[in-house]
Amino acid sequence: KQEVTQIPAALSVPEGENLVLNCSFTDSAIYNLQWFRQDPGKGLTSLLLIQSSQREQTSGRLNASLDKSSGRSTLYIAASQPGDSATYLCAVIKAAGNKLTFGGGTRVLVKP
Amino acid sequence: NAGVMQNPRHLVRRRGQEARLRCSPMKGHSHVYWYRQLPEEGLKFMVYLQKENIIDESGMPKERFSAEFPKEGPSILRIQQVVRGDSAAYFCASSPRGRPGTEAFFGQGTRLTVV
Repeated sequence: KQEVTQIPAALSVPEGENLVLNCSFTDSAIYNLQWFRQDPGKGLTSLLLIQSSQREQTSGRLNASLDKSSGRSTLYIAASQPGDSATYLCAVIKAAGNKLTFGGGTRVLVKP
Repeated sequence: NAGVMQNPRHLVRRRGQEARLRCSPMKGHSHVYWYRQLPEEGLKFMVYLQKENIIDESGMPKERFSAEFPKEGPSILRIQQVVRGDSAAYFCASSPRGRPGTEAFFGQGTRLTVV
């Protein structure tokens, strides 16, 4: 059974610092890994999707890496801003299906 | 192209009543997924449907919960005889095809409160 873990559960940084969010999964037979952002009381916004054959994806200040063999992904957010405050979720899709298995999320607070 | 539309956004039901949650997928998407987010818990998969078919319902509670995605109209998640423990945010996602690894797009969710 696939399990996805995100550490830390919460993170508080001053504005301008780089953010490093970790995600680990137990079953390396994944099709892709996706990072989402969730604001309080809102839905999920997809940030980056990494195919299993890829090592990383970049979008603006965001960079996500994937090491499938070790079951880890890291989301880097450069030069954090107060607007980056949200919960960040990672999720994996197994090779044999389409359902996402989510981690518990990391709640980020960027202080001005 | 509107995103995934869920309604209502907020729903309050008394214990024992029925809750109906609706999800209209993105245009051109024929695959729908429902997820539940319980308070202080992560998102958990409930059910995966294609038009008129349930593909995977491994995450659905065995009783009181049902889902459908008819040929015409939105997908419906139905909860009969709701209990306090059903209070949660229910999210719908859609994708254009069922090929493994296809990116899914999420709606804003329906927040169900059972009083």
